[in-house]
Amino acid sequence: AQTVTQSQPEMSVQEAETVTLSCTYDTSESDYYLFWYKQPPSRQMILVIRQEAYKQQNATENRFSVNFQKAAKSFSLKISDSQLGDAAMYFCASSNFGNEKLTFGTGTRLTIIP
Amino acid sequence: SQTIHQWPATLVQPVGSPLSLECTVEGTSNPNLYWYRQAAGRGLQLLFYSIGIGQISSEVPQNLSASRPQDRQFILSSKKLLLSDSGFYLCAWGLLDSDTDTQYFGPGTRLTVL
Repeated sequence: AQTVTQSQPEMSVQEAETVTLSCTYDTSESDYYLFWYKQPPSRQMILVIRQEAYKQQNATENRFSVNFQKAAKSFSLKISDSQLGDAAMYFCASSNFGNEKLTFGTGTRLTIIP
Repeated sequence: SQTIHQWPATLVQPVGSPLSLECTVEGTSNPNLYWYRQAAGRGLQLLFYSIGIGQISSEVPQNLSASRPQDRQFILSSKKLLLSDSGFYLCAWGLLDSDTDTQYFGPGTRLTVL
């Protein structure tokens, strides 16, 4: 079974600064996917970024990037140039290749300080 | 492009009453469909998933059931609601044959059982 751990219940960052959210996971599979989802106050889950475990290159999406350390089973999210609209709950999740069932962490609430 | 709809958006029901939440997907065929529940301040828990019409897998034994009467329709039901059924219910879709194994979420239904 997969497990996903987010050890930071809350984080805050000044607007325009950079923040890193931590995530560790555990899986016995060799092929899997990792995700970061954002849940704003509207509560709809929005995909932020996705990483395939077989790819060594870290995924990036505009101001969002990940630091994927496969051996350490670590998958952190870096948000650069933080904006007020980035304020949300952020969930780390994993799924095995060929099996879409997602396992979620407990989330990190990110506050942006103007 | 694909869209996913859920209704109702909010629902307040008395204990012991029945429940029916509906989820529909547009713009894709034969999607995998998922029901998640999110309790207050918690992560997401997978309740049911479906790989096709009439094919339902239950992840957690509970007071709820799911059905998939049409390819792009997924329904969450209960005959008698419990207080513990309160929460935020999210439907999601994904395509197992894709190279991304990504799930996309609907806007959710906030259920309060009194």
